Amino acid sequence: QKEVEQDPGPLSVPEGAIVSLNCTYSNSAFQYFMWYRQYSRKGPELLMYTYSSGNKEDGRFTAQVDKSSKYISLFIRDSQPSDSATYLCAMSEWNNNDMRFGAGTRLTVKP
Amino acid sequence: SAVISQKPSRDICQRGTSLTIQCQVDSQVTMMFWYRQQPGQSLTLIATANQGSEATYESGFVIDKFPISRPNLTFSTLTVSNMSPEDSSIYLCSVERANYGYTFGSGTRLTVV
Repeated sequence: QKEVEQDPGPLSVPEGAIVSLNCTYSNSAFQYFMWYRQYSRKGPELLMYTYSSGNKEDGRFTAQVDKSSKYISLFIRDSQPSDSATYLCAMSEWNNNDMRFGAGTRLTVKP
Repeated sequence: SAVISQKPSRDICQRGTSLTIQCQVDSQVTMMFWYRQQPGQSLTLIATANQGSEATYESGFVIDKFPISRPNLTFSTLTVSNMSPEDSSIYLCSVERANYGYTFGSGTRLTVV
């Protein structure tokens, strides 16, 4: 079993749809959870990060962490064609630089 | 967040040769990280580079294959040595900044023929 599991997709949605991206993990010591967005031929850019459980909202993006289920989600509201990218989840233990990444989900938002 | 300049952005290399990838950060950072992203797979940490000491390599990666230099707090290089087609991948450098998480370079797309 991989330490971090993420459905690679691809996922295609119409403009304006709500997008749900998810990752599961097996290491209960993970405390720090991140979502990265990676456009084609670019490096990943940090989108959101959360510590421990709970929700965090930033504009159209909401990150959720459910540590009891070892499950994290990223929701994108009112999706736009510019949101088309690969989204990677990442996580690490507290004060540990060794992040573990999901494989990334490729999202396409069609106008 | 930090601005990272990574080069080359892409290269096509003959097997058996070596390629050195450079990473320049616009501010001083203690640690720099080198990752590999193989097609369809997640990012994998190759090594952590601290200024003034030898890099720390992850399981499956060795210094002879991936020598790293870290001459100062804003610069690092990763060399992919004696390349084979299996080394074809995207290589990324990264730094960690407080409250910003990790910032990545734009990556080097390497194809070994």
